[in-house]
Amino acid sequence: EAGVVQSPRYKIIEKKQPVAFWCNPISGHNTLYWYRQNLGQGPELLIRYENEEAVDDSQLPKDRFSAERLKGVDSTLKIQPAELGDSAVYLCASSFTQGPLVEKQYFGPGTRLTVT
Amino acid sequence: RKEVEQDPGPFNVPEGATVAFNCTYSNSASQSFFWYRQDCRKEPKLLMSVYSSGNEDGRFTAQLNRASQYISLLIRDSKLSDSATYLCVVTSSTDSWGKLQFGAGTQVVVTP
Repeated sequence: EAGVVQSPRYKIIEKKQPVAFWCNPISGHNTLYWYRQNLGQGPELLIRYENEEAVDDSQLPKDRFSAERLKGVDSTLKIQPAELGDSAVYLCASSFTQGPLVEKQYFGPGTRLTVT
Repeated sequence: RKEVEQDPGPFNVPEGATVAFNCTYSNSASQSFFWYRQDCRKEPKLLMSVYSSGNEDGRFTAQLNRASQYISLLIRDSKLSDSATYLCVVTSSTDSWGKLQFGAGTQVVVTP
């Protein structure tokens, strides 16, 4: 069974440029998460989707970050414009959730973003 | 104070020894708990869920102490391949959708 797929794996951009990350979750998983992980830190949740609905985007910096999961399957996370402090690994995870509690999550390999 | 805290380590462990470490959480409404393992420059991978009665998976034992609000992970007979960062995840259902938080991780280094 294919795992969570993310692309690109690496991205280097100059500050003020836009960037987008793509994620395809495990087939059948209704919940999709985007995380940001800085060196030496745990993943920080940016947004959580239940199917097409963003049920927790409280940590998403909405002035420059946006996300969508239009058909409840794959998802795109965008940053526009990027800042130096956005350099991090962006992780996508998915799970099959039947209630409010978070179930086991499966992570993709991440996108390592460097903003210069 | 962070809602989920872990000793960053590193815990330097001789091969074959036992190591244990905790993860403390501040939200008493927390309801589900997990341990993930993350190798250097890799994604986190689920190690085990943590159940109220404690649970074991091979050389790994997880415990939950609700009164003191922490979970623990114990690794017996440590292998070199156990070297990794161990992340705890704590979730609560204080609203319609569970809120989840990762700890910053505990680094374990198993030495020959």
